[in-house]
Amino acid sequence: DTAVSQTPKYLVTQMGNDKSIKCEQNLGHDTMYWYKQDSKKFLKIMFSYNNKELIINETVPNRFSPKSPDKAHLNLHINSLELGDSAVYFCASSQGGTRHTQYFGPGTRLTVL
Amino acid sequence: ILNVEQSPQSLHVQEGDSTNFTCSFPSSNFYALHWYRWETAKSPEALFVMTLNGDEKKKGRISATLNTKEGYSYLYIKGSQPEDSATYLCAFSHYSGYALNFGKGTSLLVTP
Repeated sequence: DTAVSQTPKYLVTQMGNDKSIKCEQNLGHDTMYWYKQDSKKFLKIMFSYNNKELIINETVPNRFSPKSPDKAHLNLHINSLELGDSAVYFCASSQGGTRHTQYFGPGTRLTVL
Repeated sequence: ILNVEQSPQSLHVQEGDSTNFTCSFPSSNFYALHWYRWETAKSPEALFVMTLNGDEKKKGRISATLNTKEGYSYLYIKGSQPEDSATYLCAFSHYSGYALNFGKGTSLLVTP
């Protein structure tokens, strides 16, 4: 009965590879997000997406791209992985915008070697 | 990037103590203020969402207040218990924001 799930939980890969992290929510929410927890444990927004609009944090490299096959999924694709991409990535969802509670997934720890 | 400041950075209290943390945010164009509780190796868990100046929310022993005019929110924990040990995150959005801007959190340790 997990509300927001992410797979995989851990991902170890080599520099230069392309990888994806999947996110699914069963809450019927219309908005999904990707956050990156940086080395200082700081949560930073990467993308916000609802069925109308994708908004990208301009500081996110274009090697990162979110893809939403349907309303319940927002996957994160990363091309040409770099060492600095190592972090924990969190998916979240909410019903509506930022005046509504966001529900977070368990996180995916990405390690780039 | 909208700066959200939380203080103190960490706090160590004894079981039964009451404590409070501060979250400071830009007061202009305020839209919403969130508090989350984040335990190690888990995902952030929502505590409160506040949108109106003067809002007060309560959940068990935890409560929060909001002052949008001066740009701060307080989180209070009454009679702290060891299971309250976690990082408490504050997050802010302004009227045109598409997502939350998180503070770095206050790490609380409650010892028996």
